[in-house]
Amino acid sequence: EPEVTQTPSHQVTQMGQEVILRCVPISNHLYFYWYRQILGQKVEFLVSFYNNEISEKSEIFDDQFSVERPDGSNFTLKIRSTKLEDSAMYFCASTKNDGVGELFFGEGSRLTVL
Amino acid sequence: GNSVTQMEGPVTLSEEAFLTINCTYTATGYPSLFWYVQYPGEGLQLLLKATKADDKGSNKGFEATYRKETTSFHLEKGSVQVSDSAVYFCALNAGYIPTFGRGTSLIVHP
Repeated sequence: EPEVTQTPSHQVTQMGQEVILRCVPISNHLYFYWYRQILGQKVEFLVSFYNNEISEKSEIFDDQFSVERPDGSNFTLKIRSTKLEDSAMYFCASTKNDGVGELFFGEGSRLTVL
Repeated sequence: GNSVTQMEGPVTLSEEAFLTINCTYTATGYPSLFWYVQYPGEGLQLLLKATKADDKGSNKGFEATYRKETTSFHLEKGSVQVSDSAVYFCALNAGYIPTFGRGTSLIVHP
């Protein structure tokens, strides 16, 4: 069964460092998302991506964050200068059809900022 | 904007008890509704879904009915098992930003 894969599963970094989280969405999906979940809290929307551009983004997704799809398979989230409060689990998701489609999630990348 | 409200947890039950987790939503248009489950240390997995009013989603003994009149999508299971212990998220997708509730933790004791 096709699945969304994320790497790394866990990354520890120093405050101020750049981090790139990688995702390989399901191959025939067209809409891609990043969510984050601070430990024990709700799943928060960060950004959605369609047709090689951002379609929606939340207030959380400030200038420190960026996304790109550098090739036909990877979808990356970059945090330019990490802060302590960026420590969270980051989930990538994809769907074939926006509007009614279920999201398929990866297993998440845990980011710990020291 | 769209929003999803779930009952606060944790919900603690004994095995074979009846489960209800309440979920209500606010949305423009006609959203699809979902329940996702997150087992410890894992990502979110779709549990069930309903795409239009009065649809009932069901999977693994769980059920939820899309009630447009009450804007609700409550999750139920007649007899829970220890293996059902997880966090359950109600969500909606109305075509822009799939929106999740805060999650309800379920703990089932033997």
